[in-house]
Amino acid sequence: GNSVTQMEGPVTLSEEAFLTINCTYTATGYPSLFWYVQYPGEGLQLLLKATKADDKGSNKGFEATYRKETTSFHLEKGSVQVSDSAVYFCALRGGSNDYKLSFGAGTTVTVRA
Amino acid sequence: DAGVTQSPTHLIKTRGQHVTLRCSPISGHKSVSWYQQVLGQGPQFIFQYYEKEERGRGNFPDRFSARQFPNYSSELNVNALLLGDSALYLCASSLERGAYEQYFGPGTRLTVT
Repeated sequence: GNSVTQMEGPVTLSEEAFLTINCTYTATGYPSLFWYVQYPGEGLQLLLKATKADDKGSNKGFEATYRKETTSFHLEKGSVQVSDSAVYFCALRGGSNDYKLSFGAGTTVTVRA
Repeated sequence: DAGVTQSPTHLIKTRGQHVTLRCSPISGHKSVSWYQQVLGQGPQFIFQYYEKEERGRGNFPDRFSARQFPNYSSELNVNALLLGDSALYLCASSLERGAYEQYFGPGTRLTVT
Protein backbone atom coordinates (compact mmCIF):
# COMPACT_ATOMS: atom_id res chain seq x y z
CA GLY A 1 0.00 0.00 0.00
CA ASN A 2 0.87 3.66 -0.04
CA SER A 3 3.03 5.10 2.71
CA VAL A 4 5.00 8.22 3.55
CA THR A 5 8.12 8.51 5.69
CA GLN A 6 9.24 11.92 6.82
CA MET A 7 12.10 13.26 8.87
CA GLU A 8 11.59 12.95 12.57
CA GLY A 9 11.58 16.07 14.64
CA PRO A 10 11.47 18.18 16.48
CA VAL A 11 13.50 20.67 14.49
CA THR A 12 14.59 23.92 16.12
CA LEU A 13 16.01 26.73 14.03
CA SER A 14 16.95 30.37 14.36
CA GLU A 15 15.14 33.00 12.32
CA GLU A 16 16.49 33.33 8.75
CA ALA A 17 17.98 29.82 8.82
CA PHE A 18 17.48 27.32 5.98
CA LEU A 19 14.88 24.63 6.53
CA THR A 20 14.76 21.18 4.95
CA ILE A 21 12.29 18.45 5.90
CA ASN A 22 12.88 15.14 4.16
CA CYS A 23 9.99 13.09 2.82
CA THR A 24 10.08 9.82 0.92
CA TYR A 25 7.17 7.73 -0.26
CA THR A 26 6.12 4.28 -1.40
CA ALA A 27 3.25 4.07 -3.84
CA THR A 28 1.93 2.15 -6.78
CA GLY A 29 1.03 4.01 -9.93
CA TYR A 30 1.38 7.76 -10.18
CA PRO A 31 0.64 9.47 -6.87
CA SER A 32 0.17 13.15 -6.22
CA LEU A 33 2.24 14.64 -3.40
CA PHE A 34 1.37 17.30 -0.85
CA TRP A 35 2.73 19.23 2.09
CA TYR A 36 0.27 20.31 4.76
CA VAL A 37 0.94 22.60 7.72
CA GLN A 38 -0.81 22.54 11.08
CA TYR A 39 -0.51 25.57 13.32
CA PRO A 40 -1.20 25.14 17.05
CA GLY A 41 -4.89 24.56 17.74
CA GLU A 42 -5.85 24.58 14.08
CA GLY A 43 -6.69 22.11 11.34
CA LEU A 44 -4.46 21.23 8.42
CA GLN A 45 -3.79 23.72 5.65
CA LEU A 46 -2.54 22.76 2.21
CA LEU A 47 0.88 24.35 1.78
CA LEU A 48 1.82 23.09 -1.69
CA LYS A 49 1.31 20.21 -4.07
CA ALA A 50 2.83 18.45 -7.09
CA THR A 51 0.78 16.15 -9.25
CA LYS A 52 3.42 14.59 -11.52
CA ALA A 53 7.12 13.80 -11.64
CA ASP A 54 9.49 16.79 -11.79
CA ASP A 55 6.73 19.21 -10.81
CA LYS A 56 7.79 21.84 -8.29
CA GLY A 57 5.21 23.04 -5.80
CA SER A 58 5.77 26.41 -4.13
CA ASN A 59 3.94 28.69 -1.73
CA LYS A 60 4.89 31.29 0.89
CA GLY A 61 8.60 30.79 0.20
CA PHE A 62 8.38 26.99 0.61
CA GLU A 63 9.30 24.68 -2.25
CA ALA A 64 9.26 20.94 -2.93
CA THR A 65 10.10 19.00 -6.09
CA TYR A 66 8.48 15.66 -6.98
CA ARG A 67 11.43 13.30 -7.62
CA LYS A 68 10.22 9.99 -8.98
CA GLU A 69 13.72 8.51 -9.31
CA THR A 70 14.37 8.95 -5.59
CA THR A 71 10.68 8.73 -4.52
CA SER A 72 11.13 11.95 -2.58
CA PHE A 73 9.36 15.26 -2.00
CA HIS A 74 11.58 17.23 0.36
CA LEU A 75 10.30 20.55 1.71
CA GLU A 76 12.66 23.56 1.74
CA LYS A 77 12.56 27.20 2.73
CA GLY A 78 15.50 29.52 2.39
CA SER A 79 14.85 31.85 5.33
CA VAL A 80 12.39 30.84 8.04
CA GLN A 81 10.45 33.18 10.29
CA VAL A 82 9.03 32.69 13.78
CA SER A 83 5.59 32.48 12.16
CA ASP A 84 6.69 29.29 10.35
CA SER A 85 6.66 27.40 13.65
CA ALA A 86 4.18 24.58 13.09
CA VAL A 87 3.85 20.86 12.38
CA TYR A 88 4.48 19.92 8.75
CA PHE A 89 2.97 16.81 7.16
CA CYS A 90 3.98 15.18 3.92
CA ALA A 91 1.12 13.32 2.22
CA LEU A 92 0.34 11.44 -0.94
CA ARG A 93 -2.77 10.60 -2.86
CA GLY A 94 -2.77 7.49 -4.97
CA GLY A 95 -3.68 7.20 -8.62
CA SER A 96 -7.08 7.34 -10.21
CA ASN A 97 -10.03 6.28 -8.01
CA ASP A 98 -7.91 6.48 -4.86
CA TYR A 99 -8.65 9.85 -3.37
CA LYS A 100 -7.66 9.34 0.24
CA LEU A 101 -4.60 11.09 1.62
CA SER A 102 -1.87 9.05 3.30
CA PHE A 103 0.14 11.17 5.73
CA GLY A 104 3.56 10.97 7.29
CA ALA A 105 3.93 11.28 11.06
CA GLY A 106 4.62 15.01 10.94
CA THR A 107 7.66 17.12 11.77
CA THR A 108 7.45 19.80 14.44
CA VAL A 109 9.39 22.92 13.53
CA THR A 110 10.16 25.65 16.05
CA VAL A 111 11.79 28.87 14.89
CA ARG A 112 13.40 31.05 17.55
CA ALA A 113 13.86 34.80 17.17
CA ASP B 1 -17.19 32.26 2.73
CA ALA B 2 -17.05 30.12 5.85
CA GLY B 3 -14.57 27.31 5.91
CA VAL B 4 -15.22 23.77 7.04
CA THR B 5 -16.91 23.76 10.41
CA GLN B 6 -16.99 20.94 12.93
CA SER B 7 -18.89 20.43 16.14
CA PRO B 8 -18.39 20.00 18.96
CA THR B 9 -14.89 21.39 19.47
CA HIS B 10 -14.13 19.13 22.40
CA LEU B 11 -15.93 16.36 24.19
CA ILE B 12 -15.24 13.79 26.85
CA LYS B 13 -16.88 10.37 26.79
CA THR B 14 -16.64 7.22 28.86
CA ARG B 15 -15.61 3.82 27.52
CA GLY B 16 -18.53 1.98 25.95
CA GLN B 17 -20.47 5.12 25.10
CA HIS B 18 -21.44 6.34 21.66
CA VAL B 19 -20.44 9.62 20.02
CA THR B 20 -21.60 11.63 17.00
CA LEU B 21 -19.36 14.22 15.39
CA ARG B 22 -20.64 16.71 12.83
CA CYS B 23 -19.11 18.45 9.86
CA SER B 24 -20.35 21.16 7.51
CA PRO B 25 -18.34 21.46 4.29
CA ILE B 26 -17.54 24.62 2.43
CA SER B 27 -20.55 25.82 0.48
CA GLY B 28 -20.66 24.09 -2.90
CA HIS B 29 -18.36 21.25 -1.87
CA LYS B 30 -19.87 17.83 -2.46
CA SER B 31 -17.20 15.56 -0.99
CA VAL B 32 -16.44 15.06 2.69
CA SER B 33 -13.68 12.93 4.18
CA TRP B 34 -13.01 12.00 7.80
CA TYR B 35 -9.58 11.45 9.35
CA GLN B 36 -8.42 10.39 12.81
CA GLN B 37 -5.29 12.05 14.19
CA VAL B 38 -3.85 10.42 17.28
CA LEU B 39 -1.51 12.65 19.28
CA GLY B 40 1.93 12.74 17.73
CA GLN B 41 0.91 10.98 14.52
CA GLY B 42 -0.31 11.93 11.10
CA PRO B 43 -4.01 11.78 10.22
CA GLN B 44 -5.41 8.39 9.20
CA PHE B 45 -8.18 8.14 6.62
CA ILE B 46 -11.51 6.84 7.89
CA PHE B 47 -14.18 7.57 5.24
CA GLN B 48 -14.93 9.53 2.11
CA TYR B 49 -18.45 10.47 1.11
CA TYR B 50 -19.47 11.96 -2.21
CA GLU B 51 -22.98 12.75 -3.30
CA LYS B 52 -24.29 11.07 -0.14
CA GLU B 53 -22.64 7.73 -0.89
CA GLU B 54 -19.62 6.12 0.75
CA ARG B 55 -16.78 6.17 -1.76
CA GLY B 56 -13.90 5.01 0.37
CA ARG B 57 -13.23 3.42 3.74
CA GLY B 58 -10.00 3.13 5.68
CA ASN B 59 -8.85 0.36 7.97
CA PHE B 60 -11.20 1.07 10.87
CA PRO B 61 -13.56 -1.32 12.67
CA ASP B 62 -17.30 -1.43 12.07
CA ARG B 63 -17.81 0.60 15.24
CA PHE B 64 -17.07 3.57 13.00
CA SER B 65 -19.80 4.67 10.63
CA ALA B 66 -20.72 7.85 8.82
CA ARG B 67 -23.29 9.37 6.55
CA GLN B 68 -23.74 12.40 4.34
CA PHE B 69 -26.93 14.41 4.16
CA PRO B 70 -28.65 16.07 1.16
CA ASN B 71 -27.03 19.40 2.11
CA TYR B 72 -23.63 17.60 2.00
CA SER B 73 -23.00 17.91 5.73
CA SER B 74 -21.79 14.75 7.39
CA GLU B 75 -21.83 12.86 10.67
CA LEU B 76 -19.25 10.43 12.00
CA ASN B 77 -20.53 7.94 14.56
CA VAL B 78 -18.42 5.80 16.83
CA ASN B 79 -20.00 3.08 18.97
CA ALA B 80 -18.64 1.24 22.01
CA LEU B 81 -15.86 3.77 22.55
CA LEU B 82 -12.41 2.54 23.55
CA LEU B 83 -9.62 4.48 25.20
CA GLY B 84 -7.71 4.21 21.93
CA ASP B 85 -10.40 6.21 20.14
CA SER B 86 -9.12 9.34 21.89
CA ALA B 87 -7.91 11.55 19.08
CA LEU B 88 -8.52 14.66 17.00
CA TYR B 89 -11.13 13.90 14.35
CA LEU B 90 -10.70 15.97 11.23
CA CYS B 91 -13.20 16.59 8.49
CA ALA B 92 -12.09 17.70 5.03
CA SER B 93 -14.20 18.88 2.15
CA SER B 94 -13.47 19.18 -1.54
CA LEU B 95 -15.38 20.45 -4.51
CA GLU B 96 -15.48 17.11 -6.24
CA ARG B 97 -14.41 13.61 -5.29
CA GLY B 98 -11.14 13.84 -7.21
CA ALA B 99 -10.23 17.45 -6.46
CA TYR B 100 -6.64 17.93 -5.35
CA GLU B 101 -7.45 20.56 -2.77
CA GLN B 102 -8.95 19.22 0.42
CA TYR B 103 -9.88 21.84 2.99
CA PHE B 104 -9.70 20.73 6.60
CA GLY B 105 -11.78 21.87 9.52
CA PRO B 106 -10.32 22.60 12.96
CA GLY B 107 -11.26 19.17 14.24
CA THR B 108 -13.11 17.70 17.20
CA ARG B 109 -10.95 16.65 20.14
CA LEU B 110 -12.43 13.44 21.60
CA THR B 111 -11.20 12.16 24.94
CA VAL B 112 -12.35 8.74 26.12
CA THR B 113 -11.90 8.03 29.84
